[in-house]
Amino acid sequence: QVQLVESGGGVVQPGGSLRLSCAASGFNFNNYAMHWVRQTPGKGLEWVTFIRYDAGYNYIADSVKGRFTVSRDNSKNTLYLQMNSLRPEDTAVYYCTKAQGLGSFIIDYWGHGTQVTVSS
Amino acid sequence: DIVMTQSPASLAVSLGERATINCKSSQSLLSSSDNKNYLAWYQQKPGQPPSLLVYWASTRESGVPDRFSGSGSGTDFTLTITSLQAEDVAVYYCQQYYNSPLTFGGGTKVEIK
Repeated sequence: QVQLVESGGGVVQPGGSLRLSCAASGFNFNNYAMHWVRQTPGKGLEWVTFIRYDAGYNYIADSVKGRFTVSRDNSKNTLYLQMNSLRPEDTAVYYCTKAQGLGSFIIDYWGHGTQVTVSS
Repeated sequence: DIVMTQSPASLAVSLGERATINCKSSQSLLSSSDNKNYLAWYQQKPGQPPSLLVYWASTRESGVPDRFSGSGSGTDFTLTITSLQAEDVAVYYCQQYYNSPLTFGGGTKVEIK
């Protein structure tokens, strides 16, 4: 069955960096687009970024543009989110999610999430 | 950005009764090219990540009980749970995938009366 396991979260000071990883299994990772979505008690669910199956293109939310970068290594079945210049408002649970198809925007599976806390 | 507005924010329904959740988008989610509504519904139970219930506004995801149904078109959508079960206690979210950025509604918390 589909498994998405996030890692790399933690506590970081404002202005710091973190790299999240998502290990995927149970499906042919090469054939599916992926998204990162974050959740906070105050702002609810917020989509962060999308990457096509072949990393041919991606989209990113304006709130993180220029600070966050999505990438993937299809040889390792792993999705990444590089987060730089972190701000307190980036504090959230970050979910790795699988799309329905090659370039699909429909999210059909979610990992259990990793907590990112930005605080001094 | 497309704004998704859900109502009510919470509702309490007796076991076996119907629950109706509404979702309104700030612009039409109906594509003229394929005549599909780019809307999904998710269920999030306490302590768990969301799970997909419905996509294309009315297509039930595999394995989702048929007491869950989605309807609507354009800017107005509804998720209906007929005969509410105890395991349906959750927060429900609508989400548009018509364009980037994908956006979610604020959620509707469903409880047992």
